[in-house]
This record gives sequence, structure tokens and C-alpha cells, in this order.
Amino acid sequence: NAGVTQTPKFRVLKTGQSMTLLCAQDMNHEYMYWYRQDPGMGLRLIHYSVGEGTTAKGEVPDGYNVSRLKKQNFLLGLESAAPSQTSVYFCASRGQSNEQFFGPGTRLTVL
Amino acid sequence: EDQVTQSPEALRLQEGESSSLNCSYTVSGLRGLFWYRQDPGKGPEFLFTLYSAGEEKEKERLKATLTKKESFLHITAPKPEDSATYLCAVQVYTSGSARQLTFGSGTQLTVLP
Repeated sequence: NAGVTQTPKFRVLKTGQSMTLLCAQDMNHEYMYWYRQDPGMGLRLIHYSVGEGTTAKGEVPDGYNVSRLKKQNFLLGLESAAPSQTSVYFCASRGQSNEQFFGPGTRLTVL
Repeated sequence: EDQVTQSPEALRLQEGESSSLNCSYTVSGLRGLFWYRQDPGKGPEFLFTLYSAGEEKEKERLKATLTKKESFLHITAPKPEDSATYLCAVQVYTSGSARQLTFGSGTQLTVLP
């Protein structure tokens, strides 16, 4: 039981490049979330999904897109990366008791 | 707008020196308050959920309490391995079903041997 996994762990992009972050969970959870964490600002919700085939915007969705084609996977895409998107990205899934289980994070730098 | 404020931002303790971390919140209707621990370079790890004022939860040297305006994370006789950033988050009643969490910015705890 791996819990929540994220790939890649680190990535450096140039402004304007695109990339996709992959989140996978093996706990059969319906709800999944993408957050970004910046110094002094806490975790902020980007997008979330309440089930396979559904997605919705969170607090800071601009510049990101998501897809949930399979229940176990939640993808976060950056179509045209900007330096303001330099951050640590966390994926989470929600358990039956309402707690969220987090992945190890992806550290993204946009030059 | 829901707000969560944690204090202090950073706390340094000697091993065995008990203390408390504070999480104050202003929300429309609290569904639950969550505490997480985050080690450097890792994702947050779930510690506790509190649902109603007066509720307490304990785990080893940690005890979380909840009032109508704030929550405290009490650390009794801390050890160096308790060093981490402690995050507080609230979940509120909304018309939607996302059950999102709103996080505070955390308290960075350092326990010196």
C-alpha cells in the first residue's frame, strides 16, 4: 500500500514550457486535491476532484488544468509555465474520516 | 472569508520544555479542525481531527484541544524528533461537496537536545 505518490520529485522548466504532474493513490478514494505551498503562505488549493471524470477549481486555479480520467490518478498540467508558478506542489486524497493524505510533493522551478 | 492564523511562526524549545502552539480561526461554520505535521522535504502527515468545542485528542507527547475560536497543540516534554512544522487547517460547511481545507501558514518547531 503506497498511499499517495507523485512524479516527478523535482523539475526545472523554462518560461513558456509545459509539463504534467502525476498523482496516484491506491486507497480507492473518491476525492483528490492539488495544492501549492509557498513560503509564508501555507497550502493553497489549486483544483480538486470529487470523483472519476470530475474536476473543479480551487482558490488559485489560473494557469493550471487538471484531469481525472481514472479514479486512482489526478493530473495537474501547466500549459505555459511562468516564474510565479515556482513552488512545491502537493497532491492529496481524502479518507473516509475526512482527513487528507498527502503525497511527498514535487518541487518545481520555473526560470 | 475563512481565515486561519497560527502562532508563533517559529518556536525553539529545549528538550523536555513543554509548550503550546496556537491556531485561531474565523470561519462561517466549522465542520472540523485538522492538525498536520510536516517534516522538511515531505508532505504533511495527518495528526488529529477535532469537531466540536471542548474536544481533546492525544497522541504520544501531543494533545490537541478546541474552543469556539481557536485550537491549541500542547507538546509535553518534547524530544528533538518532534522538530517539524505543524500545520492547522479548517473545514467549513459549504453548499458544495468538496470539503476543502483552508490551511494556516504553520509553526516551525525546533527542539534542541
